[in-house]
Amino acid sequence: GEDVEQSLFLSVREGDSSVINCTYTDSSSTYLYWYKQEPGAGLQLLTYIFSNMDMKQDQRLTVLLNKKDKHLSLRIADTQTGDSAIYFCAESMDQAGTALIFGKGTTLSVSS
Amino acid sequence: GAGVSQTPSNKVTEKGKYVELRCDPISGHTALYWYRQSLGQGPEFLIYFQGTGAADDSGLPNDRFFAVRPEGSVSTLKIQRTERGDSAVYLCASREGGGSITQYFGPGTRLTVL
Repeated sequence: GEDVEQSLFLSVREGDSSVINCTYTDSSSTYLYWYKQEPGAGLQLLTYIFSNMDMKQDQRLTVLLNKKDKHLSLRIADTQTGDSAIYFCAESMDQAGTALIFGKGTTLSVSS
Repeated sequence: GAGVSQTPSNKVTEKGKYVELRCDPISGHTALYWYRQSLGQGPEFLIYFQGTGAADDSGLPNDRFFAVRPEGSVSTLKIQRTERGDSAVYLCASREGGGSITQYFGPGTRLTVL
């Protein structure tokens, strides 16, 4: 079956880099996503990576995909207090992004 | 333009009652999704509409849950004979269609069943 696993908590200091990890089980996943959820707010898509890519960089965000190990990571450079939120890893099976399968989320706490 | 909106933002009901949750997708988005997020969990897929029809309803937990999208825009999630275990945040998302993969989420409806 499909399953997405994430560590539950990460605590970093402002200015440090944060690395949030995710593992997934379905090798047929086509797209892998990172969403951010702040208290009382909806899910915000941060970035995504297509399964034939190894890395994607977008400003402070770097996504690394190890397809062999089914491991996805999100690196946030120069982490700010405003980055404190819950980060969800998600996968989808087809190009249309149908039926996203989410992990339980990693709570990132950034202290000043 | 406006994002995905959901009403009500909060709904408190009693066990056994019927509830309707509404989703207004982004204008022009042909695909619409419902997810359910329980406390401490990630969102779980319920149902996906392409236009007016349910393209995938495999996530609906049982026949107490039903959703419609009669005109291909607004959608209503209907829950009959609510149970305490139905308490969760119900999220709606819409997608433009065609080759677009991005799902845009609404703020959710927090349902509490007493």
